[in-house]
Amino acid sequence: GAVVSQHPSWVICKSGTSVKIECRSLDFQATTMFWYRQFPKQSLMLMATSNEGSKATYEQGVEKDKFLINHASLTLSTLTVTSAHPEDSSFYICSARALKSYEQYFGPGTRLTVT
Amino acid sequence: GQNIDQPTEMTATEGAIVQINCTYQTSGFNGLFWYQQHAGEAPTFLSYNVLDGLEEKGRFSSFLSRSKGYSYLLLKELQMKDSASYLCAVSDGSGNTPLVFGKGTRLSVIA
Repeated sequence: GAVVSQHPSWVICKSGTSVKIECRSLDFQATTMFWYRQFPKQSLMLMATSNEGSKATYEQGVEKDKFLINHASLTLSTLTVTSAHPEDSSFYICSARALKSYEQYFGPGTRLTVT
Repeated sequence: GQNIDQPTEMTATEGAIVQINCTYQTSGFNGLFWYQQHAGEAPTFLSYNVLDGLEEKGRFSSFLSRSKGYSYLLLKELQMKDSASYLCAVSDGSGNTPLVFGKGTRLSVIA
């Protein structure tokens, strides 16, 4: 149980285009999902917290107009990187938390390369 | 404030035992987690401690002392595949608040 999937697992896009990453909880309902970014050999950096049916809460320094988060259902959250640039190239990981649980289950991550 | 400290790197020999320590200072406490992360992959759950004491799960054990703000992850009979980063994380609030992660300990297992 407690499986989280992400799609795509990797994506290469051109500078200026937008990329959408999906995060799904497959066998539980996730009231809260978290989006992280991780650069090589660095620690996880929390980007935003998204609660089903409400606006995401962004961490300081993360541009909400650039990283659009939608948590439209209890099993799906999406992160759209708008007008991507090479410096946005990173490993994006989502995690999901079930109702009345403190544990976070991580998705397998999406590697984004912007050329 | 929130602060979680763990060593940056450790090296241990195959077949040996290694202990990775974690100290934390958070505004609240609802449990401590250990995750394993291999290079290029997402973290995977190892253990969860909310009460003081030792939790054993196969070759891995995790210990918690809430009064000392201290935890450790113990890995026995080390294997080469245990080379990874180990992340200590604390739940300091409600279900809507994210885990607070340490920077991780990179463990290298050598022959």
